[in-house]
Amino acid sequence: QVQLKESGPGLVQPSQTLSLTCTVSGFSLTSYSVHWVRQHSGKSLEWMGRMWSDGDTSYNSAFTSRLSISRDTSKSQVFLKMNSLQTEDTGTYYCARGRGADPYFDYWGQGVMVTVSS
Amino acid sequence: NIVLTQSPATLSVTPGESVSLSCRASQSISTSIHWYQQKSNESPRLLIKYASQSISGIPSRFSGSGSGTDFTLSINRVESEDFSIYYCQQSYSSLYTFGAGTKLELK
Repeated sequence: QVQLKESGPGLVQPSQTLSLTCTVSGFSLTSYSVHWVRQHSGKSLEWMGRMWSDGDTSYNSAFTSRLSISRDTSKSQVFLKMNSLQTEDTGTYYCARGRGADPYFDYWGQGVMVTVSS
Repeated sequence: NIVLTQSPATLSVTPGESVSLSCRASQSISTSIHWYQQKSNESPRLLIKYASQSISGIPSRFSGSGSGTDFTLSINRVESEDFSIYYCQQSYSSLYTFGAGTKLELK
């Protein structure tokens, strides 16, 4: 069955770089897009960026200068790297599978909680 | 950016009532709206795609309607498991955005 699972450090120091991995199973990264979505505690959802099935990427302009998404199709993994972290980057980070050219998100990972603190 | 405004912020109901949740877009987005349910400490779950298309495995009491700027998620006869937060999301613009959510709570 389709599964996505995020992994990464739970604690990151301010100004450092966040590195997260989304490991997928049950589908191919060359057939579906994978997106990163962030949620501050008690708040709504914020789309960060995506990896298209053809390897192209696009980002929310709010993160463009410090966000990078890449993948390793042989390992079925999508990576998020975001630098210059601040306390306001604290939150839960999800990866989700996208369907369609104007996508909805049909499967989500469990999320990984990231705290930015010294 | 396309802003999605959800109302009400909180809806207090008793089980068995039928409810309508609203999502209004800041510009016309055709039917590029999707609805999610998020229970406490869980990931979002897709309920409705493209305004009114049903999703396999989602109870038939959930339905969606609307086009352009005004959209509605309807729950026919709310059950106890439905008390959670509901979000709409637009995919008309390539900068995908979510609404602030409507919390459905027990009255």
